[in-house]
Amino acid sequence: NAGVTQTPKFRILKIGQSMTLQCTQDMNHNYMYWYRQDPGMGLKLIYYSVGAGITDKGEVPNGYNVSRSTTEDFPLRLELAAPSQTSVYFCASSYGEPAYNEQFFGPGTRLTVL
Amino acid sequence: DQQVKQNSPSLSVQEGRISILNCDYTNSMFDYFLWYKKYPAEGPTFLISISSIKDKNEDGRFTVFLNKSAKHLSLHIVPSQPGDSAVYFCAASASGAQKLVFGQGTRLTINP
Repeated sequence: NAGVTQTPKFRILKIGQSMTLQCTQDMNHNYMYWYRQDPGMGLKLIYYSVGAGITDKGEVPNGYNVSRSTTEDFPLRLELAAPSQTSVYFCASSYGEPAYNEQFFGPGTRLTVL
Repeated sequence: DQQVKQNSPSLSVQEGRISILNCDYTNSMFDYFLWYKKYPAEGPTFLISISSIKDKNEDGRFTVFLNKSAKHLSLHIVPSQPGDSAVYFCAASASGAQKLVFGQGTRLTINP
């Protein structure tokens, strides 16, 4: 099992560019999450999904979009990148509700917007 | 509105001694609490959790204590080892909720 994989590992974008952060899990988990981690700010939830075809906003969804067409994949789309989106992005998955089911995290994508 | 707070950004402890990491929460609906550990350049990994029906949960060197009346929990690591050097995140959830709320993290450094 590869667990949760994220690509790319690093990326530099110019202001106004767009990109998609890829996330794939091979554990047949229903729940998937996107977080961002800013220095000293912990993990902030961007979007989450409880199953294919179902997505919902987290704390900081502005400037991002997601889709969940399969159980395995949960891509995060950045439109019109801004310097405020410079962060480390983590994708995570769990079998069920996160209170009772461990969340498994990917290694992260470090994004810089200049 | 920071619902889960870790007020100590960093903590330095000597190897072999006890490490105590603290976490406070404000939302009375939270009834599950979890600790995740993160090494540099890696994603967080689950460490230990506790339900609000308990006041203590132990797993090897790691013990989590919950004080519901104070809305406070703490993670004790005894004895501390160099491999425990990492960032520790406290997280909370309510029954039936589909997401966790994380604190800001505490960077623990174990000195030899």
